[in-house]
Amino acid sequence: EPEVTQTPSHQVTQMGQEVILRCVPISNHLYFYWYRQILGQKVEFLVSFYNNEISEKSEIFDDQFSVERPDGSNFTLKIRSTKLEDSAMYFCASNFEPGGPGELFFGEGSRLTVL
Amino acid sequence: ELKVEQNPLFLSMQEGKNYTIYCNYSTTSDRLYWYRQDPGKSLESLFVLLSNGAVKQEGRLMASLDTKARLSTLHITAAVHDLSATYFCAVDTGTASKLTFGTGTRLQVTL
Repeated sequence: EPEVTQTPSHQVTQMGQEVILRCVPISNHLYFYWYRQILGQKVEFLVSFYNNEISEKSEIFDDQFSVERPDGSNFTLKIRSTKLEDSAMYFCASNFEPGGPGELFFGEGSRLTVL
Repeated sequence: ELKVEQNPLFLSMQEGKNYTIYCNYSTTSDRLYWYRQDPGKSLESLFVLLSNGAVKQEGRLMASLDTKARLSTLHITAAVHDLSATYFCAVDTGTASKLTFGTGTRLQVTL
């Protein structure tokens, strides 16, 4: 069964460092997303991406965050200068047609710990 | 701002018992999702509910959607230990699958 894959599974970084989280969405999907979940809390939408541009972003997704699809398969989330409060699990997701009958598929997540 | 509330937040139930988790949301939507999350793991899709009155069942779980009441329920029948997990509902605001998640219900099924 096709799946969304994410790397790394866990990254520890120092405050102020840049971090790149990588995702390989399901191959025929067109819409890509990042969500995050602070430990013990609910899942929050960060950004959606389609046709090589951001479709929508939340208030959390400030200038420190950026997304990119550098090639035909990868989808990345970059945090330029990490803060302690960026510590969370980051989930990549993809689907073929948003709002359609299909579901949103989530990856296994990348746990980011900022020290 | 869309608010999605679940109750209860924590549920401890014995094996074999039935219970219902409720998901209320504050704005019009006809797309609602239920996910299961095991500790430290990803979100596993359980149900996609796309219209008023939709009911879906899988094993011991059954989900329904009442868009007029802005309410979805997840009913657990004859719970087993393997169902222990956190369950999230999520509402699609209709904009490119921007899901707003509920607070989650942590279910613990005891022997």
